Amino acid sequence: AQKITQTQPGMFVQEKEAVTLDCTYDTSDPSYGLFWYKQPSSGEMIFLIYQGSYDQQNATEGRYSLNFQKARKSANLVISASQLGDSAMYFCAMREEGDFGNEKLTFGTGTRLTIIP
Amino acid sequence: DTEVTQTPKHLVMGMTNKKSLKCEQHMGHRAMYWYKQKAKKPPELMFVYSYEKLSINESVPSRFSPECPNSSLLNLHLHALQPEDSALYLCASRTGENEQFFGPGTRLTVL
Repeated sequence: AQKITQTQPGMFVQEKEAVTLDCTYDTSDPSYGLFWYKQPSSGEMIFLIYQGSYDQQNATEGRYSLNFQKARKSANLVISASQLGDSAMYFCAMREEGDFGNEKLTFGTGTRLTIIP
Repeated sequence: DTEVTQTPKHLVMGMTNKKSLKCEQHMGHRAMYWYKQKAKKPPELMFVYSYEKLSINESVPSRFSPECPNSSLLNLHLHALQPEDSALYLCASRTGENEQFFGPGTRLTVL
């Protein structure tokens, strides 16, 4: 069963606009973490932001914020004031917590974001 | 130093060759990971080492052989690969904190 769902294969956004990338997840584990990574064409996976299942507040990191709606099992990434350098593939991922080193990070299929000048 | 390094960046090998991929981190992370990523797909977990011991093997064919000689170094030994093994191979590491950091990857082509 698909644990992480990203329904937007591609998005085109005008520079300086805000953009929301959707992510829904499925788990019965009460303790889990949600991640967003950016992957430019160079291939490197760049960590953007993390949200723990018990965190009361939405995570923020600079221009990135995570809109965490636990009851709806969604963890959307919001990028404010988009820049040309934001053009990349974005992956949502989940880790169900367990013994250290025995947990797996499960990725969604990704959203390719293109920022238009 | 918040960096995971991988060498080589690119590798072309024949099906009869033996080669190795190397991953290094000096952040004191005690879990290290190998992922395989095909074009336009998400990364797929291959192996996890926790405190230098193999903790997860995702039923990877034996032509891929991981090794963790010490807490900073992770190798992936390759032997008798097939063309379908061509992919981006990503290494990652983490501590008990939440982030999992990835290296830049090795782009492998098997002829």
